[in-house]
Amino acid sequence: DAKTTQPNSMESNEEEPVHLPCNHSTISGTDYIHWYRQLPSQGPEYVIHGLTSNVNNRMASLAIAEDRKSSTLILHRATLRDAAVYYCIPADMRFGAGTRLTVKP
Amino acid sequence: EAQVTQNPRYLITVTGKKLTVTCSQNMNHEYMSWYRQDPGLGLRQIYYSMNVEATDKGDVPEGYKVSRKEKRNFPLILESPSPNQTSLYFCASSFGMGQGVYEQYFGPGTRLTVT
Repeated sequence: DAKTTQPNSMESNEEEPVHLPCNHSTISGTDYIHWYRQLPSQGPEYVIHGLTSNVNNRMASLAIAEDRKSSTLILHRATLRDAAVYYCIPADMRFGAGTRLTVKP
Repeated sequence: EAQVTQNPRYLITVTGKKLTVTCSQNMNHEYMSWYRQDPGLGLRQIYYSMNVEATDKGDVPEGYKVSRKEKRNFPLILESPSPNQTSLYFCASSFGMGQGVYEQYFGPGTRLTVT
């Protein structure tokens, strides 16, 4: 099973970019990397996923290292509503502890 | 509106009293799963179902049962709840899980307390 490593917590200032790292050195070559986030008192919600190429959507960008051993979720302009726990998840959907993002006004 | 619904949202019960938490999705998803979330342990998968009449154990299945008789419903059954099953439960669904390419939709959660 692929394992992921993320920082326990990160802080950002409002309206600044945030780069959330994830290490997944044991991921297999065909497994997608998913990112979910969990806002306070809510269920997790999908953010983005990718395989090899960098991906963009309305919520975020995902930068995947060429060797696929790590990836970075990029929130281009953090807002207070982005304060959440962010999970980097391999294909088997096993959630780890994630990164708790605090956004300061 | 595409959604996953769970009922009840909150439940306080006593040890040994059988209970069922319902989960329903309106997106015609084939894959459904149950997770529990505990402080410091993250989300752990209890059971999952690839399709109707196809269920399998996740990481923490002990003390739980599930059934998948219809595509839209995936109830979680606690035959004899114990205090260590006090937790926050989430149901999720997606079109599939082949290589994990499909987005999962999560329900709002059910907070269960067993005394």
